[in-house]
Amino acid sequence: DIQMTQSPSTLSASVGDRITITCRASQSIGAWVAWYQQKPGKAPKLLIYDVSTLERGVSSRFSGGGSGAEFNLTISSLQPDDFAPYYCQQYDTFPWTFGQGTEVEIK
Amino acid sequence: QVQLVQSGGEVKKPGASVKVSCRASGYTFTSYGISWVRQAPGQGLEWMGWISTYNENIRFAQKFQDRVNMTRDTSTNTAYMELRSLRPDDTAVYYCVRERGTYCDRISCQGYFDDWGQGTLVTVSS
Repeated sequence: DIQMTQSPSTLSASVGDRITITCRASQSIGAWVAWYQQKPGKAPKLLIYDVSTLERGVSSRFSGGGSGAEFNLTISSLQPDDFAPYYCQQYDTFPWTFGQGTEVEIK
Repeated sequence: QVQLVQSGGEVKKPGASVKVSCRASGYTFTSYGISWVRQAPGQGLEWMGWISTYNENIRFAQKFQDRVNMTRDTSTNTAYMELRSLRPDDTAVYYCVRERGTYCDRISCQGYFDDWGQGTLVTVSS
Protein backbone atom coordinates (compact mmCIF):
# COMPACT_ATOMS: atom_id res chain seq x y z
CA ASP A 1 0.00 0.00 0.00
CA ILE A 2 1.13 3.57 -0.63
CA GLN A 3 2.00 5.31 2.63
CA MET A 4 1.09 8.98 2.94
CA THR A 5 3.12 10.84 5.58
CA GLN A 6 1.97 14.28 6.64
CA SER A 7 4.12 16.85 8.37
CA PRO A 8 3.93 18.38 10.78
CA SER A 9 1.54 16.32 12.92
CA THR A 10 0.57 19.47 14.80
CA LEU A 11 0.94 23.04 13.63
CA SER A 12 0.45 25.97 16.02
CA ALA A 13 -0.41 29.23 14.31
CA SER A 14 -2.26 32.51 14.72
CA VAL A 15 -5.14 34.10 12.86
CA GLY A 16 -3.75 35.73 9.72
CA ASP A 17 -0.75 33.40 9.41
CA ARG A 18 0.16 31.66 6.17
CA ILE A 19 0.71 27.96 6.77
CA THR A 20 1.74 24.96 4.70
CA ILE A 21 1.13 21.28 5.37
CA THR A 22 3.19 18.69 3.50
CA CYS A 23 2.20 15.20 2.41
CA ARG A 24 4.85 12.75 1.18
CA ALA A 25 3.91 9.57 -0.64
CA SER A 26 5.98 6.38 -0.47
CA GLN A 27 6.08 6.38 -4.29
CA SER A 28 5.20 8.71 -7.13
CA ILE A 29 1.43 9.20 -7.42
CA GLY A 30 1.05 11.56 -10.33
CA ALA A 31 -1.63 14.19 -9.80
CA TRP A 32 -4.02 12.08 -7.75
CA VAL A 33 -4.11 13.82 -4.39
CA ALA A 34 -6.99 15.34 -2.46
CA TRP A 35 -7.15 17.31 0.78
CA TYR A 36 -9.88 17.32 3.44
CA GLN A 37 -10.72 19.36 6.53
CA GLN A 38 -12.56 17.78 9.45
CA LYS A 39 -14.40 19.67 12.16
CA PRO A 40 -14.96 17.98 15.56
CA GLY A 41 -17.76 15.43 15.43
CA LYS A 42 -18.32 16.00 11.70
CA ALA A 43 -17.48 14.21 8.49
CA PRO A 44 -14.47 15.43 6.53
CA LYS A 45 -15.02 18.06 3.87
CA LEU A 46 -13.33 18.00 0.48
CA LEU A 47 -11.14 21.07 -0.08
CA ILE A 48 -8.90 20.28 -3.04
CA TYR A 49 -8.62 17.46 -5.59
CA ASP A 50 -6.27 16.59 -8.45
CA VAL A 51 -3.46 18.25 -6.43
CA SER A 52 -4.57 21.83 -6.98
CA THR A 53 -8.23 22.10 -8.04
CA LEU A 54 -10.36 23.91 -5.50
CA GLU A 55 -13.67 22.25 -4.75
CA ARG A 56 -16.70 24.40 -5.55
CA GLY A 57 -17.64 26.62 -2.62
CA VAL A 58 -14.27 26.34 -0.85
CA SER A 59 -12.49 29.55 0.05
CA SER A 60 -9.66 30.68 -2.22
CA ARG A 61 -7.51 30.96 0.94
CA PHE A 62 -6.85 27.26 0.35
CA SER A 63 -4.47 26.14 -2.35
CA GLY A 64 -2.69 22.93 -3.23
CA GLY A 65 0.47 22.10 -5.09
CA GLY A 66 3.24 19.60 -5.65
CA SER A 67 4.03 16.71 -7.91
CA GLY A 68 5.50 13.23 -7.96
CA ALA A 69 5.60 12.19 -4.32
CA GLU A 70 5.50 15.51 -2.44
CA PHE A 71 2.41 17.65 -2.11
CA ASN A 72 1.30 20.55 0.01
CA LEU A 73 -1.76 22.38 1.24
CA THR A 74 -1.40 26.11 1.92
CA ILE A 75 -3.79 28.36 3.78
CA SER A 76 -2.92 31.93 2.85
CA SER A 77 -4.38 33.73 5.87
CA LEU A 78 -5.69 31.58 8.68
CA GLN A 79 -9.21 32.36 9.85
CA PRO A 80 -10.77 31.21 13.14
CA ASP A 81 -12.84 28.62 11.25
CA ASP A 82 -9.70 27.01 9.79
CA PHE A 83 -8.41 25.52 13.03
CA ALA A 84 -9.06 21.82 12.49
CA PRO A 85 -7.38 18.58 11.41
CA TYR A 86 -6.45 18.20 7.73
CA TYR A 87 -5.91 14.98 5.78
CA CYS A 88 -4.37 14.19 2.41
CA GLN A 89 -5.53 11.23 0.32
CA GLN A 90 -4.01 9.46 -2.68
CA TYR A 91 -6.14 7.87 -5.38
CA ASP A 92 -3.39 6.74 -7.71
CA THR A 93 -3.18 3.10 -6.61
CA PHE A 94 -5.62 0.84 -4.74
CA PRO A 95 -6.19 0.84 -1.88
CA TRP A 96 -6.78 4.56 -1.55
CA THR A 97 -4.87 5.75 1.52
CA PHE A 98 -4.87 8.82 3.74
CA GLY A 99 -2.21 10.68 5.62
CA GLN A 100 -2.33 10.43 9.40
CA GLY A 101 -3.57 14.00 9.71
CA THR A 102 -2.24 17.43 10.68
CA GLU A 103 -3.91 19.27 13.54
CA VAL A 104 -3.87 23.04 13.01
CA GLU A 105 -4.25 24.61 16.43
CA ILE A 106 -4.35 28.12 17.82
CA LYS A 107 -0.99 29.34 19.09
CA GLN B 1 -28.52 19.11 -2.82
CA VAL B 2 -26.63 15.85 -2.43
CA GLN B 3 -27.44 14.04 0.80
CA LEU B 4 -26.19 10.74 2.17
CA VAL B 5 -28.12 9.67 5.26
CA GLN B 6 -26.80 6.74 7.25
CA SER B 7 -28.43 4.41 9.73
CA GLY B 8 -28.01 4.88 13.44
CA GLY B 9 -25.29 3.75 15.80
CA GLU B 10 -24.87 0.11 16.72
CA VAL B 11 -23.40 -1.79 19.66
CA LYS B 12 -22.22 -5.30 18.84
CA LYS B 13 -20.44 -8.11 20.60
CA PRO B 14 -17.19 -9.55 19.25
CA GLY B 15 -17.85 -12.08 16.51
CA ALA B 16 -21.14 -10.50 15.47
CA SER B 17 -21.93 -8.73 12.19
CA VAL B 18 -23.16 -5.22 11.50
CA LYS B 19 -24.90 -3.80 8.44
CA VAL B 20 -24.86 -0.05 7.88
CA SER B 21 -27.13 1.64 5.34
CA CYS B 22 -26.63 4.83 3.37
CA ARG B 23 -29.58 6.43 1.58
CA ALA B 24 -28.68 8.85 -1.20
CA SER B 25 -30.71 11.74 -2.56
CA GLY B 26 -30.22 14.85 -4.67
CA TYR B 27 -28.48 13.17 -7.60
CA THR B 28 -28.78 10.18 -9.93
CA PHE B 29 -27.79 7.33 -7.64
CA THR B 30 -26.41 5.03 -10.33
CA SER B 31 -24.13 7.70 -11.81
CA TYR B 32 -21.66 7.64 -8.93
CA GLY B 33 -20.08 4.85 -6.95
CA ILE B 34 -20.05 4.74 -3.17
CA SER B 35 -17.00 4.12 -1.02
CA TRP B 36 -16.91 3.32 2.67
CA VAL B 37 -14.34 4.99 4.95
CA ARG B 38 -13.93 4.40 8.66
CA GLN B 39 -12.35 6.34 11.49
CA ALA B 40 -11.46 4.78 14.82
CA PRO B 41 -11.81 7.07 17.88
CA GLY B 42 -9.14 9.76 17.78
CA GLN B 43 -7.54 8.20 14.71
CA GLY B 44 -7.23 8.89 11.00
CA LEU B 45 -9.24 7.80 8.00
CA GLU B 46 -9.19 4.33 6.42
CA TRP B 47 -10.71 3.41 3.05
CA MET B 48 -12.49 0.06 3.09
CA GLY B 49 -13.85 -0.41 -0.39
CA TRP B 50 -15.99 0.84 -3.28
CA ILE B 51 -19.14 -0.34 -5.00
CA SER B 52 -20.50 0.63 -8.37
CA THR B 53 -24.12 1.57 -7.79
CA TYR B 54 -24.71 0.80 -11.48
CA ASN B 55 -23.64 -2.85 -11.71
CA GLU B 56 -22.35 -3.71 -8.22
CA ASN B 57 -18.72 -3.99 -9.27
CA ILE B 58 -16.84 -4.04 -6.00
CA ARG B 59 -13.30 -3.26 -4.96
CA PHE B 60 -12.13 -3.90 -1.40
CA ALA B 61 -9.01 -3.04 0.54
CA GLN B 62 -7.25 -6.35 1.06
CA LYS B 63 -7.38 -5.88 4.82
CA PHE B 64 -11.19 -6.21 4.73
CA GLN B 65 -11.63 -8.56 1.80
CA ASP B 66 -12.62 -11.62 3.87
CA ARG B 67 -15.01 -9.84 6.22
CA VAL B 68 -16.85 -7.12 4.32
CA ASN B 69 -19.64 -7.07 1.80
CA MET B 70 -21.10 -4.11 -0.05
CA THR B 71 -24.43 -4.06 -1.83
CA ARG B 72 -26.90 -1.52 -3.17
CA ASP B 73 -30.63 -1.27 -3.81
CA THR B 74 -31.47 0.97 -6.75
CA SER B 75 -35.20 0.97 -5.90
CA THR B 76 -34.47 2.89 -2.71
CA ASN B 77 -31.16 4.56 -3.68
CA THR B 78 -29.49 2.88 -0.72
CA ALA B 79 -26.02 1.40 -0.32
CA TYR B 80 -25.13 -1.11 2.37
CA MET B 81 -21.91 -2.19 4.06
CA GLU B 82 -21.81 -5.35 6.13
CA LEU B 83 -18.81 -6.19 8.30
CA ARG B 84 -18.58 -9.68 9.80
CA SER B 85 -16.60 -11.27 12.62
CA LEU B 86 -16.39 -7.98 14.46
CA ARG B 87 -13.48 -7.30 16.79
CA PRO B 88 -13.04 -4.54 19.38
CA ASP B 89 -10.63 -2.75 17.04
CA ASP B 90 -13.47 -2.42 14.52
CA THR B 91 -14.97 0.19 16.85
CA ALA B 92 -15.15 3.26 14.63
CA VAL B 93 -17.32 5.76 12.85
CA TYR B 94 -18.19 4.36 9.43
CA TYR B 95 -18.84 6.84 6.62
CA CYS B 96 -20.39 6.28 3.23
CA VAL B 97 -18.97 8.68 0.67
CA ARG B 98 -19.76 9.53 -2.91
CA GLU B 99 -16.70 9.05 -5.05
CA ARG B 100 -15.98 11.33 -7.98
CA GLY B 101 -13.08 11.83 -10.36
CA THR B 102 -11.83 12.42 -13.88
CA TYR B 103 -11.45 8.69 -14.42
CA CYS B 104 -14.72 7.67 -12.88
CA ASP B 105 -17.63 6.15 -14.72
CA ARG B 106 -20.48 3.92 -13.70
CA ILE B 107 -18.39 0.75 -13.45
CA SER B 108 -15.02 1.88 -12.13
CA CYS B 109 -13.57 4.86 -10.34
CA GLN B 110 -10.26 6.45 -9.48
CA GLY B 111 -11.44 9.27 -7.31
CA TYR B 112 -11.87 11.35 -4.23
CA PHE B 113 -14.78 11.88 -1.89
CA ASP B 114 -16.98 14.89 -2.51
CA ASP B 115 -19.98 14.12 -0.30
CA TRP B 116 -20.05 12.27 3.00
CA GLY B 117 -22.73 10.69 5.12
CA GLN B 118 -23.05 11.83 8.71
CA GLY B 119 -21.27 8.72 9.96
CA THR B 120 -22.43 5.68 11.92
CA LEU B 121 -20.69 4.78 15.18
CA VAL B 122 -20.22 1.03 15.52
CA THR B 123 -19.07 -0.03 18.97
CA VAL B 124 -17.74 -3.56 19.45
CA SER B 125 -17.56 -4.58 23.07
CA SER B 126 -18.23 -7.63 25.17
